Amino acid sequence: GENVEQHPSTLSVQEGDSAVIKCTYSDSASNYFPWYKQELGKGPQLIIDIRSNVGEKKDQRIAVTLNKTAKHFSLHITETQPEDSAVYFCAASINAGGTSYGKLTFGQGTILTVHP
Amino acid sequence: DTEVTQTPKHLVMGMTNKKSLKCEQHMGHRAMYWYKQKAKKPPELMFVYSYEKLSINESVPSRFSPECPNSSLLNLHLHALQPEDSALYLCASSQDPGGEYGYTFGSGTRLTVV
Repeated sequence: GENVEQHPSTLSVQEGDSAVIKCTYSDSASNYFPWYKQELGKGPQLIIDIRSNVGEKKDQRIAVTLNKTAKHFSLHITETQPEDSAVYFCAASINAGGTSYGKLTFGQGTILTVHP
Repeated sequence: DTEVTQTPKHLVMGMTNKKSLKCEQHMGHRAMYWYKQKAKKPPELMFVYSYEKLSINESVPSRFSPECPNSSLLNLHLHALQPEDSALYLCASSQDPGGEYGYTFGSGTRLTVV
């Protein structure tokens, strides 16, 4: 089955700096790569996702890049703010559409702390 | 409505109790999921319901019993749980079982078994 590895496990930055979290996946058939932010006591919230037919996607301060050949994808957060502090999970899935079953495989998570 | 709503938010139960967790979505999503999340770990898939039918059971012990009464509701019935079952239980939904349009998670039920 799919295996997703995520690094680093903890990341501490100063407000205004950039933060980068990296993930690798094992199954070359995976084609959907979401990133989730989880705050204490809450469920995971989708912050950005990318599909295998796209190499990069941006949404304001957040960007994700995908290298299908190397089977890795990264989350980039620029101009970090204290409210960005949370646990971030990457995930990979094979989405065949229709009635085929997709299954999210999560990375182990990164605890991001942004210091004011 | 773009949310997955879970109740209760917190639950404490004894090992001989029977309780149920409830999940509701009104986005017209046809697949719903139960995940278990231990502290400082990623969510782990337990069950998948597709078009109101149980499609995937990830070898979950029978003391956890899922139910999907209709396309908007998902329940998880709990009986004779163990302290190690204490965790955050997350419900999620997707427009189709393939997850082609992504997954929406609820805020979870924090379960403590005493």
